[in-house]
Amino acid sequence: AQSVTQLGSHVSVSEGALVLLRCNYSSSVPPYLFWYVQYPNQGLQLLLKYTSAATLVKGINGFEAEFKKSETSFHLTKPSAHMSDAAEYFCAVRRRDAGNMLTFGGGTRLMVKP
Amino acid sequence: EAGVTQFPSHSVIEKGQTVTLRCDPISGHDNLYWYRRVMGKEIKFLLHFVKESKQDESGMPNNRFLAERTGGTYSTLKVQPAELEDSGVYFCASSQEGGLAGGPTDTQYFGPGTRLTVL
Repeated sequence: AQSVTQLGSHVSVSEGALVLLRCNYSSSVPPYLFWYVQYPNQGLQLLLKYTSAATLVKGINGFEAEFKKSETSFHLTKPSAHMSDAAEYFCAVRRRDAGNMLTFGGGTRLMVKP
Repeated sequence: EAGVTQFPSHSVIEKGQTVTLRCDPISGHDNLYWYRRVMGKEIKFLLHFVKESKQDESGMPNNRFLAERTGGTYSTLKVQPAELEDSGVYFCASSQEGGLAGGPTDTQYFGPGTRLTVL
């Protein structure tokens, strides 16, 4: 069975500071990996995904994530936080071998201080 | 192009009542998914339609939940009778590619969710 762990349900950074949101997965076979963001009163929006090409994946709004097989991690980073980045972020995985179901982590709420 | 839409955005009902949630996927998307987030927990998969057929309903919690997708377009999720633990946000998503094992480009696009409160 797959599982996803997001360390820290709440993360607070200052505007302009580095954003680092952690995601670790548990899967017998490296899965497809996704980061979604949910802004207030909106649906989940795909930030980026890893499907087996380059291990460093660039997404929208300046975010990127690096797939590290040895660490079973897919942490999300952004060099400089902006106030508009305040939202809830979800890491998700999907099996390569069967099914379309996404398995989500618990979510991390990012707060950006001025 | 319109995104995934869900109706209603909020619903407050009493225990024992019936509620029907609706999802309109992106036009042309054969795959439709329902997920649920109970307060304080992670988002969990409920089921997956390919056109009008249920491909995977392994996440449906019990037989009080009935999902349909007549004609392969919009979908409804009915809860009857509703219980307190059914409260949460119900998300719908759709994707273009089909098949049991979706390809790497099979991105799921999510709607804004329906917040269900059972009193």
